[in-house]
Amino acid sequence: SAVISQKPSRDICQRGTSLTIQCQVDSQVTMMFWYRQQPGQSLTLIATANQGSEATYESGFVIDKFPISRPNLTFSTLTVSNMSPEDSSIYLCSVLRTEEQLNYGYTFGSGTRLTVV
Amino acid sequence: EDQVTQSPEALRLQEGESSSLNCSYTVSGLRGLFWYRQDPGKGPEFLFTLYSAGEEKEKERLKATLTKKESFLHITAPKPEDSATYLCAVQAKGSNYKLTFGKGTLLTVNP
Repeated sequence: SAVISQKPSRDICQRGTSLTIQCQVDSQVTMMFWYRQQPGQSLTLIATANQGSEATYESGFVIDKFPISRPNLTFSTLTVSNMSPEDSSIYLCSVLRTEEQLNYGYTFGSGTRLTVV
Repeated sequence: EDQVTQSPEALRLQEGESSSLNCSYTVSGLRGLFWYRQDPGKGPEFLFTLYSAGEEKEKERLKATLTKKESFLHITAPKPEDSATYLCAVQAKGSNYKLTFGKGTLLTVNP
């Protein structure tokens, strides 16, 4: 399965600022995703990062708040903009190498623990 | 809307005491059901993919089964190192590969 390097692993940020999270994969993958994991809640999909085009956002998430880039098949970034304490959460990158590899599941990064003060 | 409910929320077992975790789901056409294990401070680690009712998969002390409405993760003779949060997720057909997760079951195995 793919190996994901996600940075930073944790950060404490001031409200009103922005944080960019990086996701680097050791091999080319077809699909990349960004999830949020809030305390006591389910992992929730924020968006699918599409190479060379705008990300596809889930209901409740907007591009202005969570801009995503995916310049190639191994790298993506998620920015959390104009942060408030409600954005405190764990953010996770996930990949699926190809559709045919569902048997091997989606691979997740180790996550970024964000605290907004 | 796809929904996943896991029970119990938390489970404490003694080492060697077998049990099962439940994942009930509603989805508009199941493409796959996934089980993951998550340790504190880490991302989810893939365990199994199940595709159709009646399917079973095993890995060491874990066995996952699937019906049309639910999945079970059976843990046989667990060890303390099996302590973790176990997550269930479904992917619906035509969902653009979106996974819908349950809240997880926190399993603690005492020596």
